Amino acid sequence: DAGITQSPRHKVTETGTPVTLRCHQTENHRYMYWYRQDPGHGLRLIHYSYGVKDTDKGEVSDGYSVSRSKTEDFLLTLESATSSQTSVYFCAINTLAGGVNEQFFGPGTRLTVL
Amino acid sequence: KQEVTQIPAALSVPEGENLVLNCSFTDSAIYNLQWFRQDPGKGLTSLLLIQSSQREQTSGRLNASLDKSSGRSTLYIAASQPGDSATYLCALNGQNFVFGPGTRLSVLP
Repeated sequence: DAGITQSPRHKVTETGTPVTLRCHQTENHRYMYWYRQDPGHGLRLIHYSYGVKDTDKGEVSDGYSVSRSKTEDFLLTLESATSSQTSVYFCAINTLAGGVNEQFFGPGTRLTVL
Repeated sequence: KQEVTQIPAALSVPEGENLVLNCSFTDSAIYNLQWFRQDPGKGLTSLLLIQSSQREQTSGRLNASLDKSSGRSTLYIAASQPGDSATYLCALNGQNFVFGPGTRLSVLP
């Protein structure tokens, strides 16, 4: 599982509240990703990071921000949660062995915004 | 923009059958293609990775092929078992990873 954990695993919150999801890895991989998975849309990239303090937007970044102050932690923040952000959120890392990028995923966080 | 489709969307087969899952993509400028398995309520588990220079990869009962010129990959599962029931997703690694919508497989005892 490439040593990836996510917290919390489940969260219910109310519209308008801030929410922070955490992804933690134990193997010092440079690249980390946040995806959301929704029925009918599949997996979509929110933000990714290519190093400490180096982040970039993905396909569906509106309403989300990220931070990476340490190699092992990548935080996803919903500044003011909306019902459309109800989803399952997955963190992933890229390993680079022999010049080949391979992705590994965390267990996911199920977020419900009421 | 890379677009990825997977056919069929769902498949139900009796135990023991050999089966093929399909993945099609529009942009052949990729580094590699990865097949994943996802069980209900769980994360994605990497099954096989095919580099762009390769034609196929095998792991146990699984065999994945890649034809960049036609924009297709197939995942072949031999002698299917009920434990193979899951959703299978392909992902193309170009500038970023782009995922297909998945094929939901049910293997009936």
